[in-house]
Amino acid sequence: EVQLVESGGGLVQPGESLRLSCTASGFTFSAYWMTWVRQAPGKGLEWVANIKRDGSDLHSVDSRFTISRDNAKNSLYLQMNSLRLEDTAVYYCARDRTYCNGGTCYDLFDLWGQGTLVTVSS
Amino acid sequence: AIQMTQSPSSLSASVGDRVTITCRASQAIRNDLGWYQQRPGRAPKLLVYAASTLESGVPSRFSGSGSGTDFTLIISSLQPEDFATYYCLQDYSYPRTFGQGTKVAIK
Repeated sequence: EVQLVESGGGLVQPGESLRLSCTASGFTFSAYWMTWVRQAPGKGLEWVANIKRDGSDLHSVDSRFTISRDNAKNSLYLQMNSLRLEDTAVYYCARDRTYCNGGTCYDLFDLWGQGTLVTVSS
Repeated sequence: AIQMTQSPSSLSASVGDRVTITCRASQAIRNDLGWYQQRPGRAPKLLVYAASTLESGVPSRFSGSGSGTDFTLIISSLQPEDFATYYCLQDYSYPRTFGQGTKVAIK
C-alpha cells in the first residue's frame, strides 16, 4: 500500500527539541522531493520545509527546523529545536510530485500522512 | 514571502449549488498554484495543480482557473462529500504559502 506514516509527536516543554519521522512505503521514496506541512489547532495549513530527492537541496520556513532524509530507510525527518508554544500543531509529511510542462515545474503534494501531534506546553 | 488571500473565508451552500472560491496572490505567480481540500480530522487532498489541471481521480465538477495574481476554484454542483475546507497554495517561490482557507458548510 502506498502510504506515509508520521511518528515522534508528543508533549514537550518550551525550549526543548523533538525529532519527527515519516516512513514511506509502496513507492520509490528516493524518486520524490518530500515536504512537511503543519496545522495549529483550529487553524490553516502552513508549509514548513522540503527536501530534494537526494537531500542536496532543502528549504525551511524557520531556521529552528531542519529537514533531512534517509533514502535507505525510506524515511523523512524533521528536527525541531527551541520549540515554542506556537509550534503546537499537527505535523504532516507529504510526497512532492514534481510536474514539469513547457519548461515550468510545479510542486504537487499528492500523498499525505495522517499527521502527528506536537504539543508544546509548560 | 508571497501572501495568499482567499475569499470568502466561509460560505454556506446547498447540495447542487455552484460554488466559487477565489485566491489572490500578493505578487504575480504565473500559474504556480494548487488547490487542496481538507475534510474535518483528515489530511489535505490535492484537487488541482498548475492552476487548472485536475488531479487524477478528482471529479470533473471541480475546476480551477487563473494566472498571475487571481485564481478561482469552482465546484459546479456541490455534493455532500464536498463540505470541507479548501486551501490554495503557491509553489512559485519559497517559502511556499497557503491561503487561510475557505470553509464550505451546509446551508
